[in-house]
Amino acid sequence: DTEVTQTPKHLVMGMTNKKSLKCEQHMGHRAMYWYKQKAKKPPELMFVYSYEKLSINESVPSRFSPECPNSSLLNLHLHALQPEDSALYLCASSPTGEGWDTGELFFGEGSRLTVL
Amino acid sequence: GESVGLHLPTLSVQEGDNSIINCAYSNSASDYFIWYKQESGKGPQFIIDIRSNMDKRQGQRVTVLLNKTVKHLSLQIAATQPGDSAVYFCAENILGGGADGLTFGKGTHLIIQP
Repeated sequence: DTEVTQTPKHLVMGMTNKKSLKCEQHMGHRAMYWYKQKAKKPPELMFVYSYEKLSINESVPSRFSPECPNSSLLNLHLHALQPEDSALYLCASSPTGEGWDTGELFFGEGSRLTVL
Repeated sequence: GESVGLHLPTLSVQEGDNSIINCAYSNSASDYFIWYKQESGKGPQFIIDIRSNMDKRQGQRVTVLLNKTVKHLSLQIAATQPGDSAVYFCAENILGGGADGLTFGKGTHLIIQP
């Protein structure tokens, strides 16, 4: 079982809705990530939070708004999305800082988003 | 076993045979490489990793080979089982560069024939 928990597993929303995806980890990791994955494609990096601060935004449209309330939680707020935003949204975490020597990311099971 | 010289989106092998999945990476500065397995409807799952100071690393039924000269990575799966059916992604990163995520290569869908 993954130690990164994502909710909801499935979400269907209209283009005028506001919804949020949630991610939680209790491994003490200080870096958290959002990836977007379209069908039959590799995951694509969207955002990186390091020590609760946004460190990377891969030119993601503003209709996606990330938030890191604390070191264990990561949210992705969704507003005015388009049908082409339908995808699997993956959250991941990793250790960072001194003492860690792995580049592994630990992924959740993803939230399957459908925009109508 | 069956191997592929270049990346193929799909690899079909007989159960019990060995599989070799190839990956070409792009950044010559990358010093950390990892293989993930992604089953349908699930998130990527760690299989094995390797650092650039090594050219081979073995796990349980899996071996990763790294050729830095040609920027090539391969994953060998011994005695392929039905549970190995999944999409396999390689990914690269630079250690010590802070938390900047992994860059994923194109996946290979491994299909196991009974």
